[in-house]
This record gives sequence, C-alpha cells and structure tokens, in this order.
Amino acid sequence: AQSVTQLDSQVPVFEEAPVELRCNYSSSVSVYLFWYVQYPNQGLQLLLKYLSGSTLVKGINGFEAEFNKSQTSFHLRKPSVHISDTAEYFCAVILRSNDYKLSFGAGTTVTVRA
Amino acid sequence: DTEVTQTPKHLVMGMTNKKSLKCEQHMGHRAMYWYKQKAKKPPELMFVYSYEKLSINESVPSRFSPECPNSSLLNLHLHALQPEDSALYLCASSQGALGTEAFFGQGTRLTVV
Repeated sequence: AQSVTQLDSQVPVFEEAPVELRCNYSSSVSVYLFWYVQYPNQGLQLLLKYLSGSTLVKGINGFEAEFNKSQTSFHLRKPSVHISDTAEYFCAVILRSNDYKLSFGAGTTVTVRA
Repeated sequence: DTEVTQTPKHLVMGMTNKKSLKCEQHMGHRAMYWYKQKAKKPPELMFVYSYEKLSINESVPSRFSPECPNSSLLNLHLHALQPEDSALYLCASSQGALGTEAFFGQGTRLTVV
C-alpha cells in the first residue's frame, strides 16, 4: 500500500519570504515523485519530478525539492515567493510497480500576502 | 503543442440528461486519463486508457462511460447523474512510459441540477 501525506493544509506566507511545503510518502518499493500546482479555476501544472539520480530537483518558477529516501520525504521549497505563487500545491507519487496510477496528497493551500 | 484541450469548460445538466465531455491532445501521448476533483480535494483517478484500450477503471459507477475513439481523443459520456457528481472533471495524458509527466487540461466544471 502507499500513501502520500502533505503535512500542512494551509501555509500563509509574506511576499519575498521563503516557503517549504512538506510531503512524506509511505511505500516499500521504489517510487516516482512529483509536485503539481493548481491555480484557481485551472488544471494542474507540473512543477518538478524526481525519477532517479540527483536528489535535489529543480523545477519551474524557482521551485526545488529534495528527495530523502531515509526519511521518505520530498519537500518543496522556494527561497522567495511572489503573490502569483498563491495556489494549491499537490505532492503525488507513482509506484514503479503500478505505472499509471498517480496518487495525490491532500494538497497544501499557499497564500502569499504583500 | 503541449496542451490538453477540454470542452466544454462549464456544463450544467439535469439528472435525466445525457451529455459528453471531450478531451483532445496532439502530443502523441498513448495514455489518457479522467480524474474527478471535488472542491478543496485532490484529483481522484477514474479511468486510464493505454493505447486506446481501457486499462484502469477505479470502480466508477456506470452512469460514467468513457470512450477513446482514437489516440488523440478521449470522451466521457454522462447519463442519469446525481447532484453529488458535480465536480471539476480533469483530463490528462502522458507518454505512457513509467514515471513520465502527466499533462492536464483545464477541466470541465460540471454542475448537476
């Protein structure tokens, strides 16, 4: 069985401050990991993904995430946020043994204030 | 072209109506998906088509009927829906290989009255 846990349901942050969104997964097999962003009334857009190799992954819009196998975590970070980063962020996982099923965490709402 | 196009953007239908949602991609992707997303919740997988064949049905009620006429198109036929089926319906596609990125459409906002 697998699950994805996003530890924070809401994260308020001031503009130009750093932000970290936490994601943990539980799986006894290898996984692929993703972060998606959903702006209001939009579909989902991929921010970044980890498949293999370097554990530090850089994505679009200045986001990065670090895969930590020992802690089964894949936390997302941005050093300086903008108002336009206000959105819903989803961590997601695919089991390598279950190729098509992308399972999402519950989501984290990021609200950036001036 | 990295777009997944969904039509219509909004749909209001009665419980006795029959309607269809449409999804199109021209990226040569061989896997296509339907997700349902309720407000403030993550997307939930409904169906997966791989090489135009249904490969996953997540125990979706038969009032939802998917169809994949060709490798670029995916439909979701709706019949006798309930008000609780109101949601954002998202279509996605991927290259099909394990771990590849899924591209999502903008969704169809469905309201059942």
